[in-house]
Amino acid sequence: QLQLQESGPGLVKPSETLSLTCTVSGGSISSSSYYWGWIRQPPGKGLEWIGSIYYSGSTYYNPSLKSRVTISVDTSKNQFSLKLSSVTAADTAVFYCARALEFDGTFDYWGQGTLVTVSS
Amino acid sequence: EIVLTQSPGTLSLSPGERATLSCRASQSVSSSYLAWYQQKPGQAPRLLIYGASSRATGIPDRFSGSGSGTDFTLTISRLEPEDFAVYYCQQYGSFGQGTRLEIK
Repeated sequence: QLQLQESGPGLVKPSETLSLTCTVSGGSISSSSYYWGWIRQPPGKGLEWIGSIYYSGSTYYNPSLKSRVTISVDTSKNQFSLKLSSVTAADTAVFYCARALEFDGTFDYWGQGTLVTVSS
Repeated sequence: EIVLTQSPGTLSLSPGERATLSCRASQSVSSSYLAWYQQKPGQAPRLLIYGASSRATGIPDRFSGSGSGTDFTLTISRLEPEDFAVYYCQQYGSFGQGTRLEIK
């Protein structure tokens, strides 16, 4: 059974860079049929796609966040990572990592999510 | 960029009733790329429907999806207590704003 687990600091100061890692177990991140994505959800609000990465390193970002987002992959560790720079309180959210089917972009497996709060 | 608009924002129904949730796209999308998710408080979203009408593994047959072009529907034929949650539609990098299904 595929499992995804987010990890990283739960508190980030304004103007700093948020960094999270997703560890994939029970399957290979190098599978050619999938993308690996980050989605966030501010408290009490809806879902927002941040971006996705293919095992080869090809990336796709939400245009509204593109200037601040970097997603990378480490196939040797079966992990992919998110960096979001210049954060503000508006970036406070639960961050999910998920697997997306290459064919249609459907997110079929999700991590449990991790809350990141931006505060001084 | 495609914008997905869900309606209603909140739907109040009783167990045993039929729920009909709508997702409208700002431009025509391939039905192959429309998915529905269920999210309960404190949990990650769960995939219900992909390709507009195919149930994901383990999803009860009371959940069904339909639609094409710009208009898509998620139907729950007979509501069970565990079905009361928030539902999202998604097409690639766009999510709808969600429909909250609450107990009447």
